[in-house]
Amino acid sequence: SQTIHQWPATLVQPVGSPLSLECTVEGTSNPNLYWYRQAAGRGLQLLFYSVGIGQISSEVPQNLSASRPQDRQFILSSKKLLLSDSGFYLCAWSVLPSGGGDTQYFGPGTRLTVL
Amino acid sequence: KQEVTQIPAALSVPEGENLVLNCSFTDSAIYNLQWFRQDPGKGLTSLLLIQSSQREQTSGRLNASLDKSSGRSTLYIAASQPGDSATYLCAAFDSWGKLQFGAGTQVVVTP
Repeated sequence: SQTIHQWPATLVQPVGSPLSLECTVEGTSNPNLYWYRQAAGRGLQLLFYSVGIGQISSEVPQNLSASRPQDRQFILSSKKLLLSDSGFYLCAWSVLPSGGGDTQYFGPGTRLTVL
Repeated sequence: KQEVTQIPAALSVPEGENLVLNCSFTDSAIYNLQWFRQDPGKGLTSLLLIQSSQREQTSGRLNASLDKSSGRSTLYIAASQPGDSATYLCAAFDSWGKLQFGAGTQVVVTP
């Protein structure tokens, strides 16, 4: 069966510090991978998605970047965190969609607090 | 751009009552639609995926309907239990397979 892992589970970082969040998927090959952010009182916002190694699409201009160095590894990074980067970061995967979208499966999330 | 709305934002029902959760979307050229459950501080759990060609999908006590012409989807949970307390999110797929989420309905089932 497929599983998705995220770490760390929680993170408290000062403003201006770097960030690296990691997501890995097991039990499937060549998945679509997604990064979402859920800010307090707001809905989920798609940040990045990837259909393959080295292929990253950004949905929202921001202080963050994403990379996919391996087939089942997705990394979210920042060089300098802002207060507004605080939130709950969720990674998700799906089988490559054949038109219309396939079920997306979410990881447990990382709670990021920037102070 | 697709906009997804969930009303009400919060709902409280006594145990045993049926739950009806509403989701509306602005673009009727919807592709698939997915319902999720989120417990406090946790990730999302997929409940049901309704394909654009389907009118409804069932899993156990859960039944989701899709009416593209009216821009609505409804999630029914039969005989609610305290363990059903959570936030329920609906999300619509666009043609690229990307999800647009509603803000969710927070459900409390009281014993």
